[in-house]
Amino acid sequence: AQRVTQPEKLLSVFKGAPVELKCNYSYSGSPELFWYVQYSRQRLQLLLRHISRESIKGFTADLNKGETSFHLKKPFAQEEDSAMYYCALSGRVAYSGGGADGLTFGKGTHLIIQP
Amino acid sequence: DTGVSQDPRHKITKRGQNVTFRCDPISEHNRLYWYRQTLGQGPEFLTYFQNEAQLEKSRLLSDRFSAERPKGSFSTLEIQRTEQGDSAMYLCASSLRASGGVWPEQFFGPGTRLTVL
Repeated sequence: AQRVTQPEKLLSVFKGAPVELKCNYSYSGSPELFWYVQYSRQRLQLLLRHISRESIKGFTADLNKGETSFHLKKPFAQEEDSAMYYCALSGRVAYSGGGADGLTFGKGTHLIIQP
Repeated sequence: DTGVSQDPRHKITKRGQNVTFRCDPISEHNRLYWYRQTLGQGPEFLTYFQNEAQLEKSRLLSDRFSAERPKGSFSTLEIQRTEQGDSAMYLCASSLRASGGVWPEQFFGPGTRLTVL
């Protein structure tokens, strides 16, 4: 079964410090990995995806297939980065009745940037 | 079009009652997904539609749950004989169809928070 693990429920760093949110996955095929973010009182939204290989709001994430990781990084945290961050994986999953195209999410990491 | 909308935003019901939620996707999106999110967890996939066809259901979707998308536009999720364990945020998302092997971005609605007393 596919699984996404985010080991930190809460991560608190000071403004200007580097940030790394960890994500590890298990999947037998070639997954597509995403980071979703939910700011306070807002809906879940896509932050970035590994195939885009782009930097969004200063965040980057590299897919490491050897370590099955997709950690999210930012060199200098800003107060507006405070939010819930979810790592997610897409791939076909063998549920009863067939495969599925839904996303598998981790439990999320609450990032707090202190002034 | 301001994105995916869900109605109601909050629902409080008594155990044993039936509830129905509605989701209106982004107009040109032909895929529609339902997820459930409980406290301290990430969203969990329930089911999805491509146009009006319900293509996949997870094992989380018990017999008490039913989802429809009759005209390939809005969708409803009904829970019969609600239980306290059904209390959760129910999220809807929509996307275009995958093409070229690229997974389409899913756009999420604000969710319906269900509380079963």
